[in-house]
Amino acid sequence: ETVLTQSPGTLSLSPGERGTLFCRASESISTSSLAWYQVKPGQAPRLLIYGTSSRATGIPDRFSGSGSGTEFTLTISSLEPEDFAVFYCQHYGSSHTFGGGTKVEIK
Amino acid sequence: QVQLQESGPRLVKPSETLSLTCTVSGGSVSIYYWSWLRQTAGKGLEWIGHVFADGSTSHKSSLRTRVSMSVDTSKNQFALKLSSVTAADTAVYYCARDIRRFESGYLSIWFDSWGPGILVTVSS
Repeated sequence: ETVLTQSPGTLSLSPGERGTLFCRASESISTSSLAWYQVKPGQAPRLLIYGTSSRATGIPDRFSGSGSGTEFTLTISSLEPEDFAVFYCQHYGSSHTFGGGTKVEIK
Repeated sequence: QVQLQESGPRLVKPSETLSLTCTVSGGSVSIYYWSWLRQTAGKGLEWIGHVFADGSTSHKSSLRTRVSMSVDTSKNQFALKLSSVTAADTAVYYCARDIRRFESGYLSIWFDSWGPGILVTVSS
């Protein structure tokens, strides 16, 4: 089973700053199988990115995804107050796996 | 836009069965695969399993002996049962819709719509 490792565990940033989140796979995976989610307490998780770089419906263009092989990145170009949350990467191979998450907090 | 809502008991005793229902609105359960996931305290997200409208299911291997899922197309709902629960099963449980795509020989699956989650505590 592919293991996803996210870094950093916590990212402390100010509104307006750029955030870069990393997701490393334990083996090379297809770019079509990597997705990113935003999770806030008490709210439904939100799909941000699928297929490594495709934005889901309604997701603002400040969110972008990139990567290949074992290294994947979610970038938030300029953080808005509503963006502070926990972000997870997810892969489907023979089963579903999630990374451990990156918390983006207000500095 | 499809919306999902989890419901069920929020407190379950150890060794008993956790039972949850997901009600789907704005779309039909008769198409798509539907999944259950959970997030335990201090841990990340974990996929539990999925169910299709014909009743076929697939589960995470470590939970397979305790998990059952079903679909009720007349009520536009799907359900999860997790038996012999312990404190380790205390978690926020989510239902979600699977989106599946075949591309370059690979099957990719992601979850495009989720419920808000329900906290289920296992305690006597």
